[in-house]
Amino acid sequence: EDQVTQSPEALRLQEGESSSLNCSYTVSGLRGLFWYRQDPGKGPEFLFTLYSAGEEKEKERLKATLTKKESFLHITAPKPEDSATYLCAVHRFSGGYNKLIFGAGTRLAVHP
Amino acid sequence: DVKVTQSSRYLVKRTGEKVFLECVQDMDHENMFWYRQDPGLGLRLIYFSYDVKMKEKGDIPEGYSVSREKKERFSLILESASTNQTSMYLCASSKGGSLTDTQYFGPGTRLTVL
Repeated sequence: EDQVTQSPEALRLQEGESSSLNCSYTVSGLRGLFWYRQDPGKGPEFLFTLYSAGEEKEKERLKATLTKKESFLHITAPKPEDSATYLCAVHRFSGGYNKLIFGAGTRLAVHP
Repeated sequence: DVKVTQSSRYLVKRTGEKVFLECVQDMDHENMFWYRQDPGLGLRLIYFSYDVKMKEKGDIPEGYSVSREKKERFSLILESASTNQTSMYLCASSKGGSLTDTQYFGPGTRLTVL
């Protein structure tokens, strides 16, 4: 069964304390893995797309990496404004179409 | 920048009412999507459209319908609202050519059905 699992569910960091969020997936024929950031009460904001194992992408303090079974979102020296829920999603082929399947997200809190 | 807007940020309706949620995108995207987001369940696809007047069911279409009369506008309709449809509704769009293109989301509509 196609699924996306994110861990941990919640993460509390001190400002400047680097860490990683995990997204593991089981899907036949990966057609793209997506990372989004979601602030409370708002829609998800696109961060990265990764298509093949070994690919890496960076944006400010965030770096996303991809292997054949999982992706990591590394946060280097986080700041309080990085506090948000981070969502991971992959495409799965269902009912004749490609559809996004989302993980439940990791709630990140960065404290000063 | 891609801009996806939704007609209301917050909406309160009564059981049995007909509810319309509107979504507009300004980037000439072919594909549009409606999701609902509930705590512990994540985002779930309700309906999507890959062209004007075309629609396809997602994973949880029961109790919902959609309309896409113009390329930039995708409406979600709750024919007879029920309390279990209280949720955050998110609209998204993507460029087209492939449904695997990056999806861009609107700000969401928090719907409460009393």
